[in-house]
Amino acid sequence: DVKVTQSSRYLVKRTGEKVFLECVQDMDHENMFWYRQDPGLGLRLIYFSYDVKMKEKGDIPEGYSVSREKKERFSLILESASTNQTSMYLCASSHGTSGDFSYEQYFGPGTRLTVT
Amino acid sequence: QKEVEQNSGPLSVPEGAIASLNCTYSDRGSQSFFWYRQYSGKSPELIMSIYSNGDKEDGRFTAQLNKASQYVSLLIRDSQPSDSATYLCAVNVNAGGTSYGKLTFGQGTILTVHP
Repeated sequence: DVKVTQSSRYLVKRTGEKVFLECVQDMDHENMFWYRQDPGLGLRLIYFSYDVKMKEKGDIPEGYSVSREKKERFSLILESASTNQTSMYLCASSHGTSGDFSYEQYFGPGTRLTVT
Repeated sequence: QKEVEQNSGPLSVPEGAIASLNCTYSDRGSQSFFWYRQYSGKSPELIMSIYSNGDKEDGRFTAQLNKASQYVSLLIRDSQPSDSATYLCAVNVNAGGTSYGKLTFGQGTILTVHP
């Protein structure tokens, strides 16, 4: 079974704090993704990575950065947390490279972040 | 036009009935199609993948793909109260082989199965 784990289920931080969200997958997947999910707005892609040290901006990268130093680990960083970053953060991973159509994404349990 | 659209719902069906969930997509280069189930407060769970035209069955679930009409659907037979959840349609565009597995998700359809 694919296993994607996230460092925290619930997190409460103060405005201006630097926040680290960690994601680890154990299936040797090339691709990893960070989403946020908000009521009425659906799943929105923040950043993704297709290889170690490689990253691409998603649809809403502002206020976030990422790091992928090892294949199995993908970190999301909120440089200076703000209240509008209160959300559910979901990490996902998938196998597949160019020409491979599978791309099934498997999600971690999510981190519900509250910024006060 | 949104890239991936799902019927707005919510959808309510009686226990034992067939639930039909629909999804349309705008990009003809789309290659891979997925259905996820998401229970309230939980993360999405992959339940079906489909890559070629036609039907794909897995237990009580059947995914249907029609690339000419650009729609994908999910049928749930013998619906159970435990099927009550939000169902997300997701589509991958693999144009030129450089999508890196990005999926575009629909907004989701809330399904309620009542006893």
